[in-house]
Amino acid sequence: SQQGEEDPQALSIQEGENATMNCSYKTSINNLQWYRQNSGRGLVHLILIRSNEREKHSGRLRVTLDTSKKSSSLLITASRAADTASYFCATDLAGGTSYGKLTFGQGTILTVHP
Amino acid sequence: DTGVSQDPRHKITKRGQNVTFRCDPISEHNRLYWYRQTLGQGPEFLTYFQNEAQLEKSRLLSDRFSAERPKGSFSTLEIQRTEQGDSAMYLCASSRRGYSGNTIYFGEGSWLTVV
Repeated sequence: SQQGEEDPQALSIQEGENATMNCSYKTSINNLQWYRQNSGRGLVHLILIRSNEREKHSGRLRVTLDTSKKSSSLLITASRAADTASYFCATDLAGGTSYGKLTFGQGTILTVHP
Repeated sequence: DTGVSQDPRHKITKRGQNVTFRCDPISEHNRLYWYRQTLGQGPEFLTYFQNEAQLEKSRLLSDRFSAERPKGSFSTLEIQRTEQGDSAMYLCASSRRGYSGNTIYFGEGSWLTVV
């Protein structure tokens, strides 16, 4: 079963606008990772945020984590057509011996129009 | 850092045939994972290796599926007597051993189409 749920399922914006995607999960986590996937390709790692962190930045990306609400958001600023892809959040569940097994949501399909 | 490498990238096979996929992880990574992804869905965990030991298998991994990682280097995923429901992308990933905050890197995936 899927642990995380991304919202919205699809997002369409114009180049230069910001894109925000949300992820909710159900059980406690060690960390949460965001990935990008271009059509038919593998997953590209974007950001890892640990359960004791609240916000991380990487270039035009900003990720927040609210463990009390069991939610995370990914913000892409000044979007480009090349940002068009599916975006997934993946959680590394807490408890037991953690070895990095990830549980993915269904993803958000982002389309950036030039 | 050459990344996670998977081969073949695409495989079309007839129902009932056996197929094998290979994964070469990032060289210093001792953890290796296999995931399966169907269209419109996120990847689902199949199995995990630490070095050569297979430490967890998902219930998604039926008896027709077998994975190995001899000598803790590359890994193979074999599907016997393929069924149309096996059509999916099979993703390999790797990471370093350590505390739980390690980034997991994925390969480009191997697409399987069973006709």
